[in-house]
Amino acid sequence: EVQLVESGGALVKPGGSLRLSCAASGFTFSDTWMTWVRQAPGKGLEWVGRIKSKSDGGTRDYAASVEGRFIISRDDSRNTLYLQMNSLMTEDTALYYCTTIWGRGDDSWGQGTLVTVSS
Amino acid sequence: QSALTQPASVSGSPGQSITISCTGTSSDIGSSNLVSWYRNHPGKAPKLVIYEVSKRPSGVSTRLSGSKSGNTASLTISGLQAEDEADYYCCSSTDSSWVFGGGTKLTVL
Repeated sequence: EVQLVESGGALVKPGGSLRLSCAASGFTFSDTWMTWVRQAPGKGLEWVGRIKSKSDGGTRDYAASVEGRFIISRDDSRNTLYLQMNSLMTEDTALYYCTTIWGRGDDSWGQGTLVTVSS
Repeated sequence: QSALTQPASVSGSPGQSITISCTGTSSDIGSSNLVSWYRNHPGKAPKLVIYEVSKRPSGVSTRLSGSKSGNTASLTISGLQAEDEADYYCCSSTDSSWVFGGGTKLTVL
């Protein structure tokens, strides 16, 4: 069974940093392109960014709203995805999901981890 | 990349059919067959209900169907049931990313 478990969400002050983790199991993590999606309270889903598998180059793409502030990385030896968030703004307050979204069939989502940016 | 445009809300009575539209541009929906739809209940992870414009994942009711014309995708739910009440999001691939719609709240009257 595929499982994605996010962790690391917290209350952080504007300008601060936070690192989220997503522990994956039940599938070949190293072969999978992984994505972060967020949902602000009462708002819709927003694509944050993705990282390709190393065999596909390991490249990363980001939404314009987080480019230059967020960094996605992966540790295939630990089956774990990361999201390093720097220079956090109140607008980054959201539930952050990791997902295997790929567009050509079923995908998996974690339950999300809550990030609150507030002074 | 701007969000895809969906109506904020739609409603229907049990047994009726409803259609949710999702309008994008030639850079996303208009040039992609990777258009998906998600059902989202508050506090729960989104669930894929349509992918590649019109395909249903295993286990998704045949009452749900998807289509696309030009820059607009549509999700139709026939024979509305109370369990269909949820938020629905469209999603399209772009050149190097994904873009979601703003979401549509479906109310079953």
